Amino acid sequence: DQQVKQNSPSLSVQEGRISILNCDYTNSMFDYFLWYKKYPAEGPTFLISISSIKDKNEDGRFTVFLNKSAKHLSLHIVPSQPGDSAVYFCAASALRGAQKLVFGQGTRLTINP
Amino acid sequence: EPEVTQTPSHQVTQMGQEVILRCVPISNHLYFYWYRQILGQKVEFLVSFYNNEISEKSEIFDDQFSVERPDGSNFTLKIRSTKLEDSAMYFCASSGVPGANVLTFGAGSRLTVL
Repeated sequence: DQQVKQNSPSLSVQEGRISILNCDYTNSMFDYFLWYKKYPAEGPTFLISISSIKDKNEDGRFTVFLNKSAKHLSLHIVPSQPGDSAVYFCAASALRGAQKLVFGQGTRLTINP
Repeated sequence: EPEVTQTPSHQVTQMGQEVILRCVPISNHLYFYWYRQILGQKVEFLVSFYNNEISEKSEIFDDQFSVERPDGSNFTLKIRSTKLEDSAMYFCASSGVPGANVLTFGAGSRLTVL
């Protein structure tokens, strides 16, 4: 059951450049999307979210874009910093349903100095 | 900053043994969750808990699993008879707001079943 998919297991980006992480979903009931960041030996940490009534949400260096017709969202980090190196999980939820989040497989982002 | 605390950080057990994983959610949160991540796989929902009862559970959360909030601060996950495939990182999470789904996760408890 791959309702949320992150097709790139890893991504390497030069420090200062833009990192773009992608996520696709199949369940049209999803209407709230989140990005979590995870360092080794820690739990996922909430980064940014977007509701389906919006197509963009920005918070500092992080911007999430949602394309509902394509069932696609992306996370842009600019400029990328070495501390951004982590695993990034896309997650989705149906507000009308229960509280559970459905996660993607994660993308390991490495920022090279 | 408030955090979700999980113990133990790592537990090794023999197949068939009972295991209890403990969590202290953020004090004013009302919604509690357990997720797990098998090595190399995605984070999977197990169960959500609100108002002293399970609000939703996944297919993974079978009769071998149970959750409890024995007092005002702890939230536990019990696995009655562990199997090899229960080996995973178990994450507890809590949320104060219904529907917003911004969960705060603990650092996880790694369970190794031999």
